[in-house]
Amino acid sequence: GAVVSQHPSWVICKSGTSVKIECRSLDFQATTMFWYRQFPKQSLMLMATSNEGSKATYEQGVEKDKFLINHASLTLSTLTVTSAHPEDSSFYICSARDPGTGILGYTFGSGTRLTVV
Amino acid sequence: AQKITQTQPGMFVQEKEAVTLDCTYDTSDPSYGLFWYKQPSSGEMIFLIYQGSYDQQNATEGRYSLNFQKARKSANLVISASQLGDSAMYFCAMSLMDSNYQLIWGAGTKLIIKP
Repeated sequence: GAVVSQHPSWVICKSGTSVKIECRSLDFQATTMFWYRQFPKQSLMLMATSNEGSKATYEQGVEKDKFLINHASLTLSTLTVTSAHPEDSSFYICSARDPGTGILGYTFGSGTRLTVV
Repeated sequence: AQKITQTQPGMFVQEKEAVTLDCTYDTSDPSYGLFWYKQPSSGEMIFLIYQGSYDQQNATEGRYSLNFQKARKSANLVISASQLGDSAMYFCAMSLMDSNYQLIWGAGTKLIIKP
């Protein structure tokens, strides 16, 4: 079945540094990628939707200059947290959509646990 | 407004018993899909079951079934013969065809199976 590889699984970084999270679709073309943020014991919060080759659409309240999303190819999307601060510590998870599989075409990465110290 | 409501923050269930997790939804779109996902403590999202708005029959997948009551706008998940490995967070989600297929998520229910 469809697989999305998300790396790293966890990362600890110093305040003020940038962190890049990658999501790669291994056996399908991900025309749309959704990036979520999840705080402990809470639901997934959509941060942005990106379509290959175009700029990401950010949800209200999400700083696009802080959370840079690149979806330059059909198999790779990246989320860069710039100038990270402790309040950015969270679980980030991507979900790729393969339209070829119809309505069920959502495949999730395994998530990245970010801790900013 | 499009919304998913899960009213049970947490549930304790004895092993081998059946459990129903509640989910109600709100949309005026005639075409939508309803999903249930399981999220264990490791964090990955595991797809369990799907129901389309035009499906006449309730979806079933092994021990999982979806009690779809369209008029009441409810899509409850039923897990039969619960197992210790079923302990996890469970999320109900809705996909709308007209919104770039974004998923709208419920708050989740933490299910704990007691031995």
